[in-house]
Amino acid sequence: GESVGLHLPTLSVQEGDNSIINCAYSNSASDYFIWYKQESGKGPQFIIDIRSNMDKRQGQRVTVLLNKTVKHLSLQIAATQPGDSAVYFCAESRGTGFQKLVFGTGTRLLVSP
Amino acid sequence: DTAVSQTPKYLVTQMGNDKSIKCEQNLGHDTMYWYKQDSKKFLKIMFSYNNKELIINETVPNRFSPKSPDKAHLNLHINSLELGDSAVYFCASSQGTWVRNEQFFGPGTRLTVL
Repeated sequence: GESVGLHLPTLSVQEGDNSIINCAYSNSASDYFIWYKQESGKGPQFIIDIRSNMDKRQGQRVTVLLNKTVKHLSLQIAATQPGDSAVYFCAESRGTGFQKLVFGTGTRLLVSP
Repeated sequence: DTAVSQTPKYLVTQMGNDKSIKCEQNLGHDTMYWYKQDSKKFLKIMFSYNNKELIINETVPNRFSPKSPDKAHLNLHINSLELGDSAVYFCASSQGTWVRNEQFFGPGTRLTVL
């Protein structure tokens, strides 16, 4: 079935390193993607989004890359900090009419000082 | 100031009971959602309301009944609780139904069914 999934369930990095979190999606009709960050005991929080007519978007210390050819999405975090430790989700918009967000399975990012 | 709040934060109950979770948002949004996050962190939409009207209803058992008394509130009532209902339930809100409008999530309600 169609799904949004992540390659790595857990990513461990050292403080100051750059982190890359990957996501594969299977619905070629999806035209909008979002990355969310979920800290322990909290709800997901919007980080950055990208539309399908773009292949790259940058925010503060974060960059999202979209490769529609292979249906792959990635989140790059520069100079990773301990406060970046969380579970990261990609999500895609799905459906016609009232669209909904379909979330991937999540990647846990662990940042060591 | 809490933007999206949920009560209770934790709920432990026996199988077969009926329970409710409440959600309130003070962002002035007109669209609210309920999501379920299972033990593997998989997050899935259950319902969405716009101006108190149901607009998204995923394949959720009819034991789950959302109710929106006004635009700022969306409650979730669950009848005859089952073990598989154990999860974290998140409420969210956004302005408008367009999926590109940012959704703001509450802190979640951890439901444990024994």
